[in-house]
Amino acid sequence: GQQLNQSPQSMFIQEGEDVSMNCTSSSIFNTWLWYKQDPGEGPVLLIALYKAGELTSNGRLTAQFGITRKDSFLNISASIPSDVGIYFCAGQLYGGATNKLIFGTGTLLAVQP
Amino acid sequence: DAGVTQSPTHLIKTRGQQVTLRCSPKSGHDTVSWYQQALGQGPQFIFQYYEEEERQRGNFPDRFSGHQFPNYSSELNVNALLLGDSALYLCASSFLMSQPQHFGDGTRLSIL
Repeated sequence: GQQLNQSPQSMFIQEGEDVSMNCTSSSIFNTWLWYKQDPGEGPVLLIALYKAGELTSNGRLTAQFGITRKDSFLNISASIPSDVGIYFCAGQLYGGATNKLIFGTGTLLAVQP
Repeated sequence: DAGVTQSPTHLIKTRGQQVTLRCSPKSGHDTVSWYQQALGQGPQFIFQYYEEEERQRGNFPDRFSGHQFPNYSSELNVNALLLGDSALYLCASSFLMSQPQHFGDGTRLSIL
């Protein structure tokens, strides 16, 4: 199935470090979303972006909607152990009768105390 | 305020059987989407229901079917199960079709 290109595939960092991950697509999206998924649970919505160029923060998380509408990045500042998990970007294309989400391949984040 | 709830949490079936998974959307949400997540991959869109109608379908065979009820809850049915249908099945709900989707914790389906 279709998936967006997400990088890096995995990151192993020390507590307190900043993290950056990005997502690219060959298609244009109306909305970019970032989710975090913990083992045995469903994805949890972190940030939603609605306009090209938009920069949005949620606590230590900051995300941007790329100007071309084909990419997005997520930064996590001062990482803590509970940031461990898999982060997914998702592009949403809506119009007419759909708001289908297309997900990225995921970034596994490990934080060492 | 209850989030998206799915049942059952785990299910084991054999090849050729049929299965029904259930989803109750978050309070205030009227749109339900279903996704299949294979191990190590991102979720793949199966279909979406709004106003009790299937609005869009992903690249899944007709063995996958669904239904939405007047209270906005939904079911996913899979017939003639294959080994490759083993996955985490996620339900997501939203208010209208354009708003961000919120996910349940999924049903883990194992096919023997």
